[in-house]
Amino acid sequence: NAGVTQTPKFRVLKTGQSMTLLCAQDMNHEYMYWYRQDPGMGLRLIHYSVGEGTTAKGEVPDGYNVSRLKKQNFLLGLESAAPSQTSVYFCASVEAGGADTQYFGPGTRLTVL
Amino acid sequence: GQSLEQPSEVTAVEGAIVQINCTYQTSGFYGLSWYQQHDGGAPTFLSYNALDGLEETGRFSSFLSRSDSYGYLLLQELQMKDSASYFCAALYGGATNKLIFGTGTLLAVQP
Repeated sequence: NAGVTQTPKFRVLKTGQSMTLLCAQDMNHEYMYWYRQDPGMGLRLIHYSVGEGTTAKGEVPDGYNVSRLKKQNFLLGLESAAPSQTSVYFCASVEAGGADTQYFGPGTRLTVL
Repeated sequence: GQSLEQPSEVTAVEGAIVQINCTYQTSGFYGLSWYQQHDGGAPTFLSYNALDGLEETGRFSSFLSRSDSYGYLLLQELQMKDSASYFCAALYGGATNKLIFGTGTLLAVQP
């Protein structure tokens, strides 16, 4: 199993550009999450999904959209990137009802100029 | 709101024992997890406590006191490879399995 993978690993955008980050998991997990991590601020939940076709807002959802059309994929979109969205983005997944372990992807380092 | 407090930095020497504390908000709380993150890497799961008491996994142990809204991670026989950031994360609203992370504790293990 590859576990949780993220594409791309690195990206540089100009202000106003759009992009989509892809998260894929091959563990048949129901729940998937997008976090951002900034220096000194830990991980903050952007959006999450508790199953195919469902999404919900986390702590810091503004400026982001998500879709979960297939169970194994969770997409994070930035419609108009801003410098404040410069961050490291982590995706995670967990089995339904698994109240403990979240499996994280390797992260995407995004810089918005 | 749902926020967690943990120390920003801890320094210890090889072979020593270190305790990293975490306090959390109680509203909707289900359990407390701990994650390790090496510089530039992904967080990895260490432990989860849903009930009061101590959970031991090798050199690492985690403790929870629901009455005190407090938990800690105990690392024994410290090794250089334990130098990393450690995050406590509180599980809120069990149906959605939503984790709220603390800001992390940077552990530096010195020879």
